[in-house]
This record gives sequence, structure tokens and C-alpha cells, in this order.
Amino acid sequence: GAGVSQTPSNKVTEKGKYVELRCDPISGHTALYWYRQSLGQGPEFLIYFQGTGAADDSGLPNDRFFAVRPEGSVSTLKIQRTERGDSAVYLCASSPNQGRVTDTQYFGPGTRLTVL
Amino acid sequence: AQSVTQLDSQVPVFEEAPVELRCNYSSSVSVYLFWYVQYPNQGLQLLLKYLSGSTLVKGINGFEAEFNKSQTSFHLRKPSVHISDTAEYFCAVSEWNRDDKIIFGKGTRLHILP
Repeated sequence: GAGVSQTPSNKVTEKGKYVELRCDPISGHTALYWYRQSLGQGPEFLIYFQGTGAADDSGLPNDRFFAVRPEGSVSTLKIQRTERGDSAVYLCASSPNQGRVTDTQYFGPGTRLTVL
Repeated sequence: AQSVTQLDSQVPVFEEAPVELRCNYSSSVSVYLFWYVQYPNQGLQLLLKYLSGSTLVKGINGFEAEFNKSQTSFHLRKPSVHISDTAEYFCAVSEWNRDDKIIFGKGTRLHILP
């Protein structure tokens, strides 16, 4: 079956612009995670959805970042007034059941965001 | 708060030689531990995980890891590497009382030399 997909694969934008990054999880997975991976670093947790609601958004760096999952499947990560420091690969992962870390997380290929 | 330290950013190894990738964690409570692999141009993939029970965990592609609570370590090993093992390997930890969040290390890049 299809894995986690993310679009676009690459996004180049200018400082101050607004961007949206999309994640399509594996069908039926109730838990969805967003991570950010900066160059030379491991993935950094941003936000976790259980169904439609954000169960933990403690990793969002500031109020320029926001994520939604209105129907409990596709999720969109939104970044306002982008800054050069936002440049990174944004990873999405999904897992079945209750979204506990004991469940395997399945990662997408990521969206590489470059802010000029 | 928990943290993960991967002591080596890069590890070169000759093909068919054994390898050990080191990982140490810090936490005030009990933990779950993970190793993920990222092959070139591919997404992260779970190699293995320690949840409880036997401290020696076997994963995919011939890898194994041993949980050592006294040394707070979870080193990854393979007895004989292949060129296809070239990838970046991430150690990760999650605390039992915060089991909705995984904290990743910075990664170790494994270079297989012919």
C-alpha cells in the first residue's frame, strides 16, 4: 500500500512569505506527527495529532507555525512570515492506533524548505 | 527532560567488517529506545526498538542493539556490514510518562569502504 506522502518535495520561498506543506498519512492511521530536521541535526518534534485534534503542539517554535488536520487524515503545516532560519527538511510521520511511541512511526520523504 | 547523544558524527568501516554505532541517553525516568535509519534519498525507517524485556533487541537487516541501563547506553551493532548499509542512523528516546514524543539524536553517518 501507499506510504506517507508529502508535497511539495522542495519549496523555495522568499523571506517574509507564507508557505503550506502538506502531508498525506497512511490510510487509517489516526496519529500524525510533524518534525523539522535542520542540516546536521536529527528530527525535532513539532506537533502531534490524534485524529483531528493537536494532542501536543509543544514543539512548535513560535506562533508563526501552525498545523491543521481538519478531517483526521491530511495535515497541513503552515508557516507565516518565513525566516531564513526556517530552512530545513520538514518530515511527517503517521502511526496506527493511539499514537503511542510503542507503535512504529512511518515517515514520509520530507519537504525541503529553503527560505532565501 | 530526556536527551540523546550520538558520540560519532561519522563512522567509516570496511565492507564485511563489524560496526558499532554508539548512543547514550539521559533521562530521570524509564525510557523506550529506538534506532532509525535514513538511506540516501529515502524517508526514515525504524530499525529496531527497545520497550521492555530482553535487553538485546534484534532488528531488520541484521542489526541489533543492547540496552544497558547502568551505562544509559543503547549501542547499535552489526557483525558484518555491506555497501547497502551506507546511511545515516539516528538513535531516539521516549520517556514512559511522555510516550507521545520521541527525541532524536543528531545522527551518525555510516560510510562503507570497499
